[in-house]
Amino acid sequence: KAGVTQTPRYLIKTRGQQVTLSCSPISGHRSVSWYQQTPGQGLQFLFEYFSETQRNKGNFPGRFSGRQFSNSRSEMNVSTLELGDSALYLCASSLVLAGGSYEQYFGPGTRLTVT
Amino acid sequence: KNEVEQSPQNLTAQEGEFITINCSYSVGISALHWLQQHPGGGIVSLFMLSSGKKKHGRLIATINIQEKHSSLHITASHPRDSAVYICAGHNTDKLIFGTGTRLQVFP
Repeated sequence: KAGVTQTPRYLIKTRGQQVTLSCSPISGHRSVSWYQQTPGQGLQFLFEYFSETQRNKGNFPGRFSGRQFSNSRSEMNVSTLELGDSALYLCASSLVLAGGSYEQYFGPGTRLTVT
Repeated sequence: KNEVEQSPQNLTAQEGEFITINCSYSVGISALHWLQQHPGGGIVSLFMLSSGKKKHGRLIATINIQEKHSSLHITASHPRDSAVYICAGHNTDKLIFGTGTRLQVFP
């Protein structure tokens, strides 16, 4: 089974621009979560989608948005980029197991640099 | 106060040593994940546990619900275990991360 894929892997943007990152979950996984990792703040939860609906959102400004398509692929968008948005953006897909536990698999991440 | 706290921040060990990384969490966390991140960013989910103990190879994770504490143990450590280990608390539908423990194992 293919793992979680993220595109692009590396991206350089200028302040004020917008960016769209893509995540393809493992086949059969309907939940996709997005995380931001920076040296200063560590890993932080952005949002989670399940069956095309946003189920939960972290404490990020409205410039950060996302969506999920019917095939479970997800995109996140950051508008009006700021220098502080430079980070590794990770997505993870999850599968709920019997008994309520779940397995979560992370993608390789997209490293975004804002100049 | 962070909802998930890890210690130590940095850890060095000689190959073969037994290693313990600790994680304390607050109310509202229903399960604990242990993640491993290698240089370059790739994250691997090692364990998810809400009670008891889990073992996978040389890795053992335990959780004490009453104490709100979890530990990750590595037996017979090896240089390839060098990575950042992150505990994350599952709160509703999101993960809250600890700051990570950077482990270096020297031959």
